[in-house]
Amino acid sequence: ETGVTQSPTHLIKTRGQQVTLRCSSQSGHNTVSWYQQALGQGPQFIFQYYREEENGRGNFPPRFSGLQFPNYSSELNVNALELDDSALYLCASSLERWETQYFGPGTRLLVL
Amino acid sequence: QQQVKQSPQSLIVQKGGISIINCAYENTAFDYFPWYQQFPGKGPALLIAIRPDVSEKKEGRFTISFNKSAKQFSLHIMDSQPGDSATYFCAASSGESGYSTLTFGKGTMLLVSP
Repeated sequence: ETGVTQSPTHLIKTRGQQVTLRCSSQSGHNTVSWYQQALGQGPQFIFQYYREEENGRGNFPPRFSGLQFPNYSSELNVNALELDDSALYLCASSLERWETQYFGPGTRLLVL
Repeated sequence: QQQVKQSPQSLIVQKGGISIINCAYENTAFDYFPWYQQFPGKGPALLIAIRPDVSEKKEGRFTISFNKSAKQFSLHIMDSQPGDSATYFCAASSGESGYSTLTFGKGTMLLVSP
């Protein structure tokens, strides 16, 4: 059984650009949550997708958007990148909405 | 508003010693309290978790103590090993809003000296 995978591992963008990060959930998991982890901080909840629908959202602006596909993989899109968007972006999948969340290795995004 | 406060920020323990990390929460709707371990460059990995109907849970060298009235919980690592050196995060979640989101503490960087 494969765990949660994310791509790419690292990414460098410039301010104002757009970025798409990808996540493959663990087999059988229908829920994907995205988190932003700034350096030296705990992860902060961005949003959660359940069966292809956004199921909850944290305190992030609308330029953070997402998708979940029929195979339950997911994308995180960030438009109009700002310097403060530089962080580790983590994807977590769970069997159901309230089940234990298992994290992927993350995508390190650097905005210059 | 930080809903989960974690201390200490960093901790140095000798090999074989006990590592203790504390967390306090504010939201009484929280009903699930996991601890995650994170190594540099990796995602957080679930270590152990507890629900508020029990006061203690032990898995191997790791124990969670939970005090519902004080709204506090702690992680104890017995016989700490150099391989335990990592950042530890406490977290809390609630399903009352229709979805489950983890609220994390700021983390504790643990160094176990040989």
